[in-house]
Order: sequence, then structure tokens, then C-alpha cells
Amino acid sequence: GAVVSQHPSRVICKSGTSVKIECRSLDFQATTMFWYRQFPKQSLMLMATSNEGSKATYEQGVEKDKFLINHASLTLSTLTVTSAHPEDSSFYICSARDAGGSDGYTFGSGTRLTVV
Amino acid sequence: QKEVEQDPGPLSVPEGAIVSLNCTYSNSAFQYFMWYRQYSRKGPELLMYTYSSGNKEDGRFTAQVDKSSKYISLFIRDSQPSDSATYLCAMSVNNNNDMRFGAGTRLTVKP
Repeated sequence: GAVVSQHPSRVICKSGTSVKIECRSLDFQATTMFWYRQFPKQSLMLMATSNEGSKATYEQGVEKDKFLINHASLTLSTLTVTSAHPEDSSFYICSARDAGGSDGYTFGSGTRLTVV
Repeated sequence: QKEVEQDPGPLSVPEGAIVSLNCTYSNSAFQYFMWYRQYSRKGPELLMYTYSSGNKEDGRFTAQVDKSSKYISLFIRDSQPSDSATYLCAMSVNNNNDMRFGAGTRLTVKP
């Protein structure tokens, strides 16, 4: 089945620095990828929809200048958390769908970000 | 009212029990319904994927969708300790739309 690779799986950074998270679709092309955020014991909250070759669409309340999304190719989307603060500490997950497949969306393994 | 409602549990059952997990939703435009299993600190893993109403079975898992009642269910037969995880329902209007998730139900199957 479709596989989505997400890196890094865990990152600790200092407050004020930026962190980049990569999401790659393996063996399929994804014109659209989604970025979610998940707090402990809570469900996934959609942050933004990443569109290949165009600007991302952000959900209400998500700062686009803080969470920069780049979908430069059909297999790669990146989320950069800029000027990270402790409140940005969370579990970030991407997902994509293989349009040529018959299944639903496939998720990456997630990135646990801790800002100290 | 949340778009997707799911009882967060926790739910604890003995090994071998039949587990019933449910979600209700308010948006009648949803057509695609999914169940994901998420182990601690991991990304969700797709379990079942259904379109519109009806039943779908895959091994010990059965997914049911009742669009008239805006209600979906996941049944797990002969539950195993390895089934212990958080189960998330998700739904979308079309296959290119973002998904909306339930809160997730934390399930523990005790040996």
C-alpha cells in the first residue's frame, strides 16, 4: 500500500529557532498533502492543506507566517515551524492520498516537537 | 456541536470480547468514512475505508455506515491485547478533501 515517510520523528529545539519537518510520499504522487497537529489525548486538528505548486490553505486560527508550508514537488511537502515557542510543542502529522489507489489517506509516522 | 462526535472512553474489555466503537456526525455531505488505529506516539494507521452507506468486513474488523442516522461503527471480533490503541473515526466529503476526525476512543484489551 501507499507509504508516507515523515522526518524527523522527534526533535528538540530551543525557543526562537526554526524547525523543518518533511513529509514524503513513497512510490506515489500526492498533489495534496495535509498537515495535522495533535495534543496529548486529543484528536487530530487540521492545520493546513498543502497543494503542489501553489500556496497552502490554512485553517482558521493557524498562523501562516509561523507555520510555513512548501509543497515543491509531487512527493514532498515541508512544514517549517518558525521562531518556535514552548506552546508549539506538539505532535505534527502529515497525510496524503494515492489517487491511483483504492484506500483512504495514509499518514506519516508523526514528528514530536519539543521546544525548550 | 462538533462536526464529528466520538466518545473518548477509555474503554476496557477482556480478551476475546466484541468491541463496538461509534461516531456520529452532523455534516450530511460526508461520503467517505474511515477508521484509524493509533498506537501511542505513532501516526494513525488506516484500518477501514468505506464509501457511502453499508457494511465492510476485513478479518476481525467490520465497519458500518448508516448515513440516514449519521452514525458509523467499527466492530472488533475476538479482540486481542494487541488491539489496545486509540481508534479514530474520520470522514470527508470527497476523496480530495481534508478529513474531519473524532476525538478518538482509547481501547484497552486485557489478557
